[in-house]
Amino acid sequence: QQPVQSPQAVILREGEDAVINCSSSKALYSVHWYRQKHGEAPVFLMILLKGGEQKGHDKISASFNEKKQQSSLYLTASQLSYSGTYFCGTEASNTGKLIFGQGTTLQVKP
Amino acid sequence: DGGITQSPKYLFRKEGQNVTLSCEQNLNHDAMYWYRQDPGQGLRLIYYSQIVNDFQKGDIAEGYSVSREKKESFPLTVTSAQKNPTAFYLCASTRDRRGNTIYFGEGSWLTVV
Repeated sequence: QQPVQSPQAVILREGEDAVINCSSSKALYSVHWYRQKHGEAPVFLMILLKGGEQKGHDKISASFNEKKQQSSLYLTASQLSYSGTYFCGTEASNTGKLIFGQGTTLQVKP
Repeated sequence: DGGITQSPKYLFRKEGQNVTLSCEQNLNHDAMYWYRQDPGQGLRLIYYSQIVNDFQKGDIAEGYSVSREKKESFPLTVTSAQKNPTAFYLCASTRDRRGNTIYFGEGSWLTVV
């Protein structure tokens, strides 16, 4: 039931791009993306509703493929501040029950 | 400012004791959640509530209990039946269940001593 994220960890140099994937075995109503720094609360990045939309702000964007039950988070021209653990949260139906993946650790080096 | 307040930030529990983590929100949100996070792990859902006086079990509810007597409050009790309670606990809320942004509190660290 838990969505599967890949890769588990990524190491980048500043300015490089990264893609984080999130897959579910269930039909999804929505996908949420969060970033968490160690010991802090997760910070909201974006939410995508079924309908196959794509969203983005600044250099972070995401897509949602409803047919494949997959979402991808795109980070372009990465900055040091992008370092952290990224979680996708999936809502299988209009229930409000949000289940999170195991997380992807992203480290951006100078 | 509106937000979610969790307390205490750090809590130590002796084995066999029950402890209660507080979660209060002034966002007028309908739905509230409790998640548990272990080091290097994702967020696992313990309980959630979409309306006052109603709540549902999440994936790891055993050893935990909750109540939702007021819209703004959703306390979590970690009972002595929870064999491995040491973890980071996060409370969250959302306006309603229709795919809205979930806001998190700052979290509570619970350690069994």
